[in-house]
Amino acid sequence: KAGVTQTPRYLIKTRGQQVTLSCSPISGHRSVSWYQQTPGQGLQFLFEYFSETQRNKGNFPGRFSGRQFSNSRSEMNVSTLELGDSALYLCASRVQGAREEKLFFGSGTQLSVL
Amino acid sequence: SQKIEQNSEALNIQEGKTATLTCNYTNYSPAYLQWYRQDPGRGPVFLLLIRENEKEKRKERLKVTFDTTLKQSLFHITASQPADSATYLCALDPRGNTGKLIFGQGTTLQVKP
Repeated sequence: KAGVTQTPRYLIKTRGQQVTLSCSPISGHRSVSWYQQTPGQGLQFLFEYFSETQRNKGNFPGRFSGRQFSNSRSEMNVSTLELGDSALYLCASRVQGAREEKLFFGSGTQLSVL
Repeated sequence: SQKIEQNSEALNIQEGKTATLTCNYTNYSPAYLQWYRQDPGRGPVFLLLIRENEKEKRKERLKVTFDTTLKQSLFHITASQPADSATYLCALDPRGNTGKLIFGQGTTLQVKP
């Protein structure tokens, strides 16, 4: 089974631009979560999608948004980029069911905002 | 306020010794706690999950304990190897069975040959 796939692997953007990151979960996984990882703040939860609906949201501004498609693939978008948005963005999927709590992470998209 | 804390300093040990990593939390009552391993430039990889009614769990050279009274989990790697060098993260799900995990900052383990 293929793992969680994130594209692109690296991105360089300038302040004010917007960016879209993509995530393909493991086949059969219907829940997709997004996390931001920085050296100072560690791993922070952005949002979770299940069956194309956002189920949970973290404490990030509205510039951060996401969506999930009917095939469970997910995208996240960051508009009006700021320097502080430079981070590793990780996507994770899970089966979603009783006693299936562990997350499977992709390798992430490293975003640099200049 | 709610917090989940791990040893912030890196842990350096000699090959063959047991590494012990600590995870403390406050103002949470998690039903379970998870441990992940993260290598540089990669996403975290799930290692073990321990539930509130379990005191200890083992998987090969790994052992996790969970003390809900102390609000602490300990993660042990016995007979450590240089390949065990990585950052280890503990995580909990405040609401249970969601994809929203709260992670500690991680402890970096360096095993020297």
